[in-house]
Amino acid sequence: GQSLEQPSEVTAVEGAIVQINCTYQTSGFYGLSWYQQHDGGAPTFLSYNALDGLEETGRFSSFLSRSDSYGYLLLQELQMKDSASYFCAVRDRRGGNYQLIWGAGTKLIIKP
Amino acid sequence: KAGVTQTPRYLIKTRGQQVTLSCSPISGHRSVSWYQQTPGQGLQFLFEYFSETQRNKGNFPGRFSGRQFSNSRSEMNVSTLELGDSALYLCASSLASGERTDTQYFGPGTRLTVL
Repeated sequence: GQSLEQPSEVTAVEGAIVQINCTYQTSGFYGLSWYQQHDGGAPTFLSYNALDGLEETGRFSSFLSRSDSYGYLLLQELQMKDSASYFCAVRDRRGGNYQLIWGAGTKLIIKP
Repeated sequence: KAGVTQTPRYLIKTRGQQVTLSCSPISGHRSVSWYQQTPGQGLQFLFEYFSETQRNKGNFPGRFSGRQFSNSRSEMNVSTLELGDSALYLCASSLASGERTDTQYFGPGTRLTVL
């Protein structure tokens, strides 16, 4: 079957660095995406990795290792506004069409 | 550009009723996907429409159906509502369907409560 595993909750301190891991098991793989969702809000796109390595966008970085079926989202210089749920999603291919398979989300709690 | 809009934002129904939710994608986006989100379950994919055709379908019963109009607006219908259908229903639009790097843009969702 297809599945994505990520921790349900992570706690960190303001100003620190936190890493949210995601391991996946899918029949195909066409990229790993990360989305952020604040309570009561809609998910918003953060980053996308199709190839192995690190992608950096400001304070956020995302890493992918296809051989390990593993990726992570790295958040630096944490701010209180980063408190949210973070979802990883793998793009798989079914019947000729690409589809996103989602993890259950990681709730990031930031303490002052 | 206006974002993805969903109506209504909140809905309360009773078991056995049916409900129709609406989604207007970002102008120029032709793909609309629907998701069900419940606490601790992440986003469960319902279906995707592109150019008025259903392209992908998730593992939901036939009580869940949808359609897309020529202006790319989409509707989702749930018949014979059950208590377990209480959830946040999210709509996401993207430029095209079947693209590897296609980013999805989400609407605010419709919070459905079934009593």
